[in-house]
Amino acid sequence: AQSVAQPEDQVNVAEGNPLTVKCTYSVSGNPYLFWYVQYPNRGLQFLLKYITGDNLVKGSYGFEAEFNKSQTSFHLKKPSALVSDSALYFCAVRANYGGATNKLIFGTGTLLAVQP
Amino acid sequence: SQTIHQWPATLVQPVGSPLSLECTVEGTSNPNLYWYRQAAGRGLQLLFYSVGIGQISSEVPQNLSASRPQDRQFILSSKKLLLSDSGFYLCAWSNPRAGTQETQYFGPGTRLLVL
Repeated sequence: AQSVAQPEDQVNVAEGNPLTVKCTYSVSGNPYLFWYVQYPNRGLQFLLKYITGDNLVKGSYGFEAEFNKSQTSFHLKKPSALVSDSALYFCAVRANYGGATNKLIFGTGTLLAVQP
Repeated sequence: SQTIHQWPATLVQPVGSPLSLECTVEGTSNPNLYWYRQAAGRGLQLLFYSVGIGQISSEVPQNLSASRPQDRQFILSSKKLLLSDSGFYLCAWSNPRAGTQETQYFGPGTRLLVL
């Protein structure tokens, strides 16, 4: 079965410190991995994706993610956190179901709280 | 550029009443369209997806239905709402011609409260 795990419900970090939001996946075949951010009462905003190529993917708002095939992980990172980064972050993997290969499986989300 | 709209933004409905939520996409043609529900502010559940007009696939059995009367319009409906239908409903679109680069983009959402 294909799945995504976000092991931390919440991550707390001080402003200016580096942040990491963890994600691990389980898929058959090549993984297509995504990160989204959700601010309160808003839709999900696309941050970045890994399809192929360099393991380090750069995205919006200074975020990046590192694809690690051996550890089946796709952790989201930022060198210096901002209070405005506080939000709910979702990792997702594209599922492969027969002829419908464009469905996403989402993790349960990680709430990032950046303290000033 | 492409934009996705959802309305209404917020809706409070009594149990047993009908429901109609609308999603429209601008700036693209023949998109794939999706309806998700987010309960308790966390997990996202795919409800329906559509690859073309009149083509709807349901992911989970439920009290809801979806329709796609026009290429860029996706409607979520119910004949009789249940308390358990409360939640945050998100519509998304993707470009099937993007191949492996296909990415889903989400609308602003509709918050539904059934009382």
